[in-house]
Formats: sequence, structure tokens, C-alpha cells
Amino acid sequence: DAGVTQSPTHLIKTRGQQVTLRCSPKSGHDTVSWYQQALGQGPQFIFQYYEEEERQRGNFPDRFSGHQFPNYSSELNVNALLLGDSALYLCASSLAWRRSSGNTIYFGEGSWLTVV
Amino acid sequence: GQQVMQIPQYQHVQEGEDFTTYCNSSTTLSNIQWYKQRPGGHPVFLIQLVKSGEVKKQKRLTFQFGEAKKNSSLHITATQTTDVGTYFCAGPGKTSYDKVIFGPGTSLSVIP
Repeated sequence: DAGVTQSPTHLIKTRGQQVTLRCSPKSGHDTVSWYQQALGQGPQFIFQYYEEEERQRGNFPDRFSGHQFPNYSSELNVNALLLGDSALYLCASSLAWRRSSGNTIYFGEGSWLTVV
Repeated sequence: GQQVMQIPQYQHVQEGEDFTTYCNSSTTLSNIQWYKQRPGGHPVFLIQLVKSGEVKKQKRLTFQFGEAKKNSSLHITATQTTDVGTYFCAGPGKTSYDKVIFGPGTSLSVIP
């Protein structure tokens, strides 16, 4: 049973560039959430995708966008990178709201993004 | 919006001592979840509490959900070096459909 997988694991980008991070949810899960975790802080909710649509969004600018594919995998795109975007980006999967009474989420190992 | 707070931010204990971290939400939670993140790792789900006043145990770990469903605690008895990491509480809002919001975490260091 595959867990949540993310790629790449580490990457370095320059200010102003764009980045795409990828995630495959845990087998059987259909909902993907993305979190940003800065050093020493808790994960901050970016957005959640279900049925290929953005369902909920946290307090992040429009530079952060995403996509979910028919196979439930997802991408996170960040445009016009800033130094402050340097963080661990975590993908989490869960079952759809309607079938889950607890909405427990399972994290991938994350993608470490450094913006220089 | 919903805010989740945790205290203390850091805790250093001697191996064998007990440890407790407290979690408070600004709004009522439909459930509370606890996660552990080892240094350099990703958050790993520990447990979920749903009922008001619920208490659950996992070996040396005891989790409690407050009567008002706005606070929770995690207590570790006789800490071991394997307990080192950051413990996060997290919860959706009024319904389990809401996004899961994480607290800032409590970082536990265990001195051998």
C-alpha cells in the first residue's frame, strides 16, 4: 500500500522563477491538501483539492495555484518566487469529506524548496 | 478565523521524566488530531479524538479532549530518547469537512 509520495525532494530556485511540486496521494485517498512549513513552525494550510477542484484555501496569495488530475494526483505551482517562499512543502491526502467523519490526513515526506 | 495554540513552545526533560503539551483552539473543534514530527522528517499521525472529554492511551502516551472540545493535551509518561520531536495538535473547524489547521507545535528534547 503506497503512502503519499512527493517529488522532487529538494530543489533550489532563484527569486522570480516558478516551481512545480508533485504529489501522489495514498492509495484509496481522493483528497489532496497542500501545506507550507517554514523552519520551526507548524504546517500552514495552502489549499485542498477534491474532484479536480480547489475546495478550500488558506491565506496564501494567488501566486500559489494547484491542480488535481483524474487519478487524484496533484501539483502545486508557485509563481514569482520570493525568498520567503523557502520552506518544506507538504502534501497530505485523505478521504473525501463526505465519506470521512474525521478527515485524518497523511503526509508525504515533503519537498524542500530553497529560494536564493 | 480559527486559531490553534500550543504551550509550551519548547520543553527539555531528563530521560524518565514526564512531559505534557497543551493545545487550545479559538473555536470548537469537531475533532482533534495529534501528529509527531521527528527532526528532518514529516508529520506523522498519532491519534484522533472525537468525543467531548475523550481520553485515549497509546502505551506511554495519554491524549485528552476537553469537555468543550476547544482544548486538548498530550501527556508522555517516563520519556525516552525516542520521544524526541515536535508534537502538533490539529483540527478541523466546526465540521469534519473543514480544513485541518495545525498548532505551532511543542518541541521536545530528551536528555539521556
